[in-house]
Amino acid sequence: DARVTQTPRHKVTEMGQEVTMRCQPILGHNTVFWYRQTMMQGLELLAYFRNRAPLDDSGMPKDRFSAEMPDATLATLKIQPSEPRDSAVYFCASGLVLDGQSVTAEAFFGQGTRLTVV
Amino acid sequence: KNEVEQSPQNLTAQEGEFITINCSYSVGISALHWLQQHPGGGIVSLFMLSSGKKKHGRLIATINIQEKHSSLHITASHPRDSAVYICAVKEETSGSRLTFGEGTQLTVNP
Repeated sequence: DARVTQTPRHKVTEMGQEVTMRCQPILGHNTVFWYRQTMMQGLELLAYFRNRAPLDDSGMPKDRFSAEMPDATLATLKIQPSEPRDSAVYFCASGLVLDGQSVTAEAFFGQGTRLTVV
Repeated sequence: KNEVEQSPQNLTAQEGEFITINCSYSVGISALHWLQQHPGGGIVSLFMLSSGKKKHGRLIATINIQEKHSSLHITASHPRDSAVYICAVKEETSGSRLTFGEGTQLTVNP
């Protein structure tokens, strides 16, 4: 059954440590999004990729966050160094976009990674 | 910048009641999603709309493009419908990115 897979599901880390979150998009999807959800801000877009190339990462603090797609089956979001204010749930979502038009009707979300930085 | 506003923010209902959640947005969109987030945190897409109305089981979603407004209705509500319902819009000029409302916390009591 096709789904977006995120690992880990939960992560507790100390301030200053590096955190890497991983996402496996649905096979065949060419667009991957990273969202962050906090109580204060709700859901926010951090970055998104099309065909592994970053299209928009304006929502991401550049000094500590980085997002990559080493290959079509893996997207990573890294925080270094982590801070308590990074505590949130990070969602990955994937879809298929061809010629600028969404082919997939739905937004396919992973289960999220709950990050706590202490 | 597109503003996506949902109302109400919180809603408590008795089992069996008809529920309506509203979503308004400020700029042109190509599609609108209704998402459901359960207490466990997972997000599920309920509907994607670009016009008219869609129905799935007890859920009905409508959209009025001219008025920039969408509603999500739940008929014969049940405690398992308790969740956060999030409206998200895909702007005409933003490709596939979604802009989210703040969500509506629905609690259905038995």
